[in-house]
Amino acid sequence: AQSVAQPEDQVNVAEGNPLTVKCTYSVSGNPYLFWYVQYPNRGLQFLLKYITGDNLVKGSYGFEAEFNKSQTSFHLKKPSALVSDSALYFCAVRDSMDTGRRALTFGSGTRLQVQP
Amino acid sequence: EPEVTQTPSHQVTQMGQEVILRCVPISNHLYFYWYRQILGQKVEFLVSFYNNEISEKSEIFDDQFSVERPDGSNFTLKIRSTKLEDSAMYFCASSRTRDQPQHFGDGTRLSIL
Repeated sequence: AQSVAQPEDQVNVAEGNPLTVKCTYSVSGNPYLFWYVQYPNRGLQFLLKYITGDNLVKGSYGFEAEFNKSQTSFHLKKPSALVSDSALYFCAVRDSMDTGRRALTFGSGTRLQVQP
Repeated sequence: EPEVTQTPSHQVTQMGQEVILRCVPISNHLYFYWYRQILGQKVEFLVSFYNNEISEKSEIFDDQFSVERPDGSNFTLKIRSTKLEDSAMYFCASSRTRDQPQHFGDGTRLSIL
């Protein structure tokens, strides 16, 4: 079975400071990893993905994430937070194997609050 | 940028009634999905659909649920006899290939009274 853990319900950071939103995962094969952001009353917006290749992936709005296979982590980062980054962030995983589950398994979400 | 659109944005239904949630996936996408998010909980997978058939479903997707692609553009989720615990936000998603990111609609908030 595949699973995702987001250990922090909320992350608070001052505008201009770097931010990190943590995610760890578990899959039987190699993972496909995703970050999505959800603004109030909106759907999930895709931010970035890791399929293969460089461990550091860059995505939308200046976000990036680092894949760490040994720690089974995929933390979301941004060098300088903006107030407009305040939202709910979801990490998701699926198995890369053809016989694996193709549906996404989501973490419980982390609310990011950026203070001006 | 093309979007997944869902209608209605909010549906209020009496318990025991049938409800149909509608989605228009992105036009060149081939894989379609339904997820739900009960208030305050995580997003949960319901079903995936490819080549006019269900390719995968979760334990949540029991006999009360069905999906259909009645024409070339719509993708629907039907709940035959709604229960109070079906109250949730339902998200439709689509992807061009199996490995491409899934793009989500803004959801339908279903409230069962």
